[in-house]
Amino acid sequence: DTAVSQTPKYLVTQMGNDKSIKCEQNLGHDTMYWYKQDSKKFLKIMFSYNNKELIINETVPNRFSPKSPDKAHLNLHINSLELGDSAVYFCASSPTGQGTEAFFGQGTRLTVV
Amino acid sequence: AQSVTQPDIHITVSEGASLELRCNYSYGATPYLFWYVQSPGQGLQLLLKYFSGDTLVQGIKGFEAEFKRSQSSFNLRKPSVHWSDAAEYFCAVDPTSNTGKLIFGQGTTLQVKP
Repeated sequence: DTAVSQTPKYLVTQMGNDKSIKCEQNLGHDTMYWYKQDSKKFLKIMFSYNNKELIINETVPNRFSPKSPDKAHLNLHINSLELGDSAVYFCASSPTGQGTEAFFGQGTRLTVV
Repeated sequence: AQSVTQPDIHITVSEGASLELRCNYSYGATPYLFWYVQSPGQGLQLLLKYFSGDTLVQGIKGFEAEFKRSQSSFNLRKPSVHWSDAAEYFCAVDPTSNTGKLIFGQGTTLQVKP
């Protein structure tokens, strides 16, 4: 059973398009995250949701809009895609609380052409 | 500024040799500390974590890490590297923000020579 699953795994799209990445976790965790890994492999948090409520928004452009229909799902919608949005996007989940381990999905490689 | 530093961007070791990957952090209090591994095309897998107590922690795949408060370090070690250990290694901290947010280092690419 896949604990944190993301779809699609690869996404190639043209500048200006709108796209979504879906994430689901079956671990029963209350907190979910989106991280971005750039071309230099640097990982940075974008958003965090706890029980469907946004708790972290790390100065991400408004073109990025996360949506959490329930605590097992956290989707990422991106409007007006730009070349600089090309990256690997990781979804993760963890139990609520300090220092809890985050479980990561396999990532979605987004390429904007 | 709060940060996590992995000084070695790329390390090459021979199979069977010992390994040490360095990680330093700059936070006022001792944060929660983690090491993750990312194999090519894969997500991140937790190797080990330190919250408190014994400063030498054991992880999966034969890895261990030692927390040294005086040096603000949390270095990862393995006595004998296997070819399958070739991957990207990330040190991360949870700066006791109670949000679960992880701050990652830049990563160290490990190459293993046969």
